[in-house]
Amino acid sequence: GDSVTQMEGPVTLSEEAFLTINCTYTATGYPSLFWYVQYPGEGLQLLLKATKADDKGSNKGFEATYRKETTSFHLEKGSVQVSDSAVYFCALSPTGFQKLVFGTGTRLLVSP
Amino acid sequence: EPEVTQTPSHQVTQMGQEVILRCVPISNHLYFYWYRQILGQKVEFLVSFYNNEISEKSEIFDDQFSVERPDGSNFTLKIRSTKLEDSAMYFCASMTYMNTEAFFGQGTRLTVV
Repeated sequence: GDSVTQMEGPVTLSEEAFLTINCTYTATGYPSLFWYVQYPGEGLQLLLKATKADDKGSNKGFEATYRKETTSFHLEKGSVQVSDSAVYFCALSPTGFQKLVFGTGTRLLVSP
Repeated sequence: EPEVTQTPSHQVTQMGQEVILRCVPISNHLYFYWYRQILGQKVEFLVSFYNNEISEKSEIFDDQFSVERPDGSNFTLKIRSTKLEDSAMYFCASMTYMNTEAFFGQGTRLTVV
């Protein structure tokens, strides 16, 4: 069945460091891909999305490119801030379905 | 800004008891969902609800679970007889149209003892 695999956390970085969180997926058809973020005490918020191969989603300095050939959707940011500390979830929506299939989440800790 | 609200934020219940988790979706949204996350595991889809009926459910969503939209604003998840393994964070979500952004609540942490 459809699934998402994320790198395990926590990821610990210093402020202004480069961030990569790896995400790969298994799906039939052409799913849409998402990154959600959960700040402490809050719900899941959509960070960015891509709906077809080679699309790049971007928001708040974060980027991810839909790579069909490697079935990946890695999250990157050039310079992280302390306020980026959160849990990041990679997810897919299978073709023709409304539901989301999530990865386990990766906790990011950014220190000053 | 409109948001999805869930109550309570934390519920502790004894095994075998019934619990009702409540959600108020965003008012003009048409699609409603419940997901859960057992500690340290993936966020899992439970059920989707559209036009006053279940549109899809997962294998987890067995006869012990039910959903209702009783009054046009609330969206509830009932677990009839809770088990220890139902302990998890439960998230409600809503969406305007299919394949648009899903807005999530902050979650209800259910602890079954």
